[in-house]
Amino acid sequence: DIQMTQSPSTLSASVGDTVTISCRASQSNSGWLAWYQQKPGKAPKLLIYKASNLEDGVPSRFSGSGSGTEFTLTISSLQPDDFATYYCQQYNLFGQGTKVDIK
Amino acid sequence: QVQLVQSGAEVKKPGSSVKVSCKVSGDTFSRYTINWVRQAPGQGLKWMGGIIPVFGTASYPQEFQGRVTITADKSTSTAYMELISLTSEDTAMYYCANRHQYLDSFNLWGQGTMVTVSS
Repeated sequence: DIQMTQSPSTLSASVGDTVTISCRASQSNSGWLAWYQQKPGKAPKLLIYKASNLEDGVPSRFSGSGSGTEFTLTISSLQPDDFATYYCQQYNLFGQGTKVDIK
Repeated sequence: QVQLVQSGAEVKKPGSSVKVSCKVSGDTFSRYTINWVRQAPGQGLKWMGGIIPVFGTASYPQEFQGRVTITADKSTSTAYMELISLTSEDTAMYYCANRHQYLDSFNLWGQGTMVTVSS
């Protein structure tokens, strides 16, 4: 079975910081990886699909990279609205989540 | 503007079943592949299965095989997720989501339905 390992589980940052979240798959998947943002009490929101493609309407400060088994979500110049939990997803499996909170 | 609109919160007894609905509004139902994802309080996201309404075929992960049934009613543009033999472990928020066929991502989500299992 494929396993997804997301790190870190929690990340403390300040407005304006650049933050990076990692997602590792136990098997290579030809780049099929998505990233989601979830705020408390809300449904997840798709940010990135196929590793590096920005979903319509998502600010350009969000970017994704990676291939094979190693993927990264980067948020440049963190904004107040970005404090949330982020999940990676491959096939039917989600990572454990990374909570980005205020330092 | 297309939306996935889910039914309201449910409180159920252990051993009972629950059926949650997800209506596609604002677009053609046949264009969507409806999946269900649940999230226990304070926990992560777990895929429960999905259906292609055009074909009526559903798929489920082994963890939920035999306990979950996903169906679709094309006449009302509504998908359903029924979970039986409920325990307190099934207390969670249940989301329906459209899975983009070619990009393997969930690009549209319902607002969620809270199911509480309590005696």
